[in-house]
Amino acid sequence: EVQLVESGGGLVQPGGSLRLSCAASGFTFSSDWMHWVRQAPGAGLVWVSRINGYGTITGYADSVKGRFTISRDNSKNTLYLQMNSLRGDDTAVYYCVKAAHMDVWGTGTTVTVSS
Amino acid sequence: EIVLTQSPVTLSLSPGERATLSCRASQSVSNFLGWFQQKPGQAPRLLIYDASSRAPGIPARFSGSGSGTDFTLTISSLEPEDFAVYYCQQRSNWVTFGQGTRLEIK
Repeated sequence: EVQLVESGGGLVQPGGSLRLSCAASGFTFSSDWMHWVRQAPGAGLVWVSRINGYGTITGYADSVKGRFTISRDNSKNTLYLQMNSLRGDDTAVYYCVKAAHMDVWGTGTTVTVSS
Repeated sequence: EIVLTQSPVTLSLSPGERATLSCRASQSVSNFLGWFQQKPGQAPRLLIYDASSRAPGIPARFSGSGSGTDFTLTISSLEPEDFAVYYCQQRSNWVTFGQGTRLEIK
């Protein structure tokens, strides 16, 4: 069974940092693009970042560019999102998503940025 | 950035009725268009990818059509479990999502 399990969310003060992780299983992790997508409370889905299977090509939404860094460790089947300089509008559930057409989603991890 | 506009914002129908949801792109996305269903407290689920291909395990009552800038998700006969929020998404130029259509029970 294909599974994605996010972790690392929590409460952080504005200006702080968090690193999210996503443990993947049930598929050839290194073969797939991976994404992070977030959803603020009561709001819609917003794409955050993506990375290719090799980890050599990345992309970011303008709202997080320069503050967030996506990476992966294919030896550990794990995707990461390093989030720095966090702001209140980064508060959201963060989903790890598999493949170019987003066929599998994790259950999400909640990030709350508040003083 | 490619903007996706979904209509209607809310659709009120009864079980057994046909649902037609629309998604319009601000520029052509070819057929790189997907549809997702999200129920409260759950992660989104892929229904349709590449405009018209049903994802594995998705019932045949869900179908997608369109290309370029205009797309449609059709649910042929609504089941009680189909009432949810639906999002379209393009992956032609980076990735963007529509604002969602809420399908509610009339």
